[in-house]
Amino acid sequence: AQRVTQPEKLLSVFKGAPVELKCNYSYSGSPELFWYVQYSRQRLQLLLRHISRESIKGFTADLNKGETSFHLKKPFAQEEDSAMYYCALSGRSNTGKLIFGQGTTLQVKP
Amino acid sequence: GAVVSQHPSWVICKSGTSVKIECRSLDFQATTMFWYRQFPKQSLMLMATSNEGSKATYEQGVEKDKFLINHASLTLSTLTVTSAHPEDSSFYICSARGPKGTGELFFGEGSRLTVL
Repeated sequence: AQRVTQPEKLLSVFKGAPVELKCNYSYSGSPELFWYVQYSRQRLQLLLRHISRESIKGFTADLNKGETSFHLKKPFAQEEDSAMYYCALSGRSNTGKLIFGQGTTLQVKP
Repeated sequence: GAVVSQHPSWVICKSGTSVKIECRSLDFQATTMFWYRQFPKQSLMLMATSNEGSKATYEQGVEKDKFLINHASLTLSTLTVTSAHPEDSSFYICSARGPKGTGELFFGEGSRLTVL
């Protein structure tokens, strides 16, 4: 079964601290993994995707097929990073259908 | 960037009535759009894939007759919640794939439905 699991509902850190938002997936094939972010009162938007291997706003995520994980990391959190983060999965055919995790609220305190 | 717009942003209706929510791609054509449902503090659940000019593809467990989807043009998909009941109250979000080559999904701002 296709599934995305984000074990933490809320992650609270102080400004400047490292951040890791966890994401594990279950998929019988080669998935494409994404991180989406939703800032307060804004729509969902793409943060990064594993195939592009980019670093966006200081965030990176590495696909670990052995551990079936796609954790999102940032070495130094900023207050403006406070938002809801969703990990999502799509099949390799990239039909556009996404399976979302439950989401993690990141709270960065001053 | 590509913009997807939903209307209305919020709607309140009486039990038993039908409500239509529109999803428009404003500056690009979208042959495929997706409808999601989000319960409070929960994840987005894919309801259906809306295909321009053909029938929508519904996910398992989603009632086709309850949630009617029409994708009559390359820039508009509509979701009609028929004979709405309080349990249909939710946040409905649509998305569309961006212009060819990007593959990125763009999301609407969402529509909050409250059924009294």
